[in-house]
Amino acid sequence: GDSVTQMEGPVTLSEEAFLTINCTYTATGYPSLFWYVQYPGEGLQLLLKATKADDKGSNKGFEATYRKETTSFHLEKGSVQVSDSAVYFCALINAGKSTFGDGTTLTVKP
Amino acid sequence: ETGVTQSPTHLIKTRGQQVTLRCSSQSGHNTVSWYQQALGQGPQFIFQYYREEENGRGNFPPRFSGLQFPNYSSELNVNALELDDSALYLCASSLPSGEFYNEQFFGPGTRLTVL
Repeated sequence: GDSVTQMEGPVTLSEEAFLTINCTYTATGYPSLFWYVQYPGEGLQLLLKATKADDKGSNKGFEATYRKETTSFHLEKGSVQVSDSAVYFCALINAGKSTFGDGTTLTVKP
Repeated sequence: ETGVTQSPTHLIKTRGQQVTLRCSSQSGHNTVSWYQQALGQGPQFIFQYYREEENGRGNFPPRFSGLQFPNYSSELNVNALELDDSALYLCASSLPSGEFYNEQFFGPGTRLTVL
């Protein structure tokens, strides 16, 4: 079946540092790819998405590019803020079924 | 516009019992998905309902069943509860869009504890 693998956390960065959270996937066909974020005490919310190869999703300074050749969808941000501290989930939807990674906890220190 | 709501917030049951969890989808959304999230793990897809029909299912046994009503609200039923069923159960609503999938809006979840 499909699977999503995220880099293990937790990740701790200083404010204004560069962020990369790796995500690779295994799926048949052409899945849509997503990053979700869960802020402390809140529910899951969509951060960005890409629906076909080479698409770049972006939101709130975060970016991720759908790389079919490497089956990856790495999340990046050039300068993180304390308010970015949260759990980040990489996910795919393929033939109507969703698959999530286990999440990466990011802590940004001032 | 109201968001996705779930009830109850918390629930404690004993092994072997049955439980029903409820979800009200966001206004206008006709697709509802249910997920199980164990502590420290990502959400696991249970099933999806579209216009009152099951439209996809993950690797969960038949004792996990669901319903969707004409107003698009939904129920998740779990029979013969096991200790491993203890988890956060999430509901998400969306509007399907051709071969791609629109954003899913998640509810806050129901925390189920099985003793």
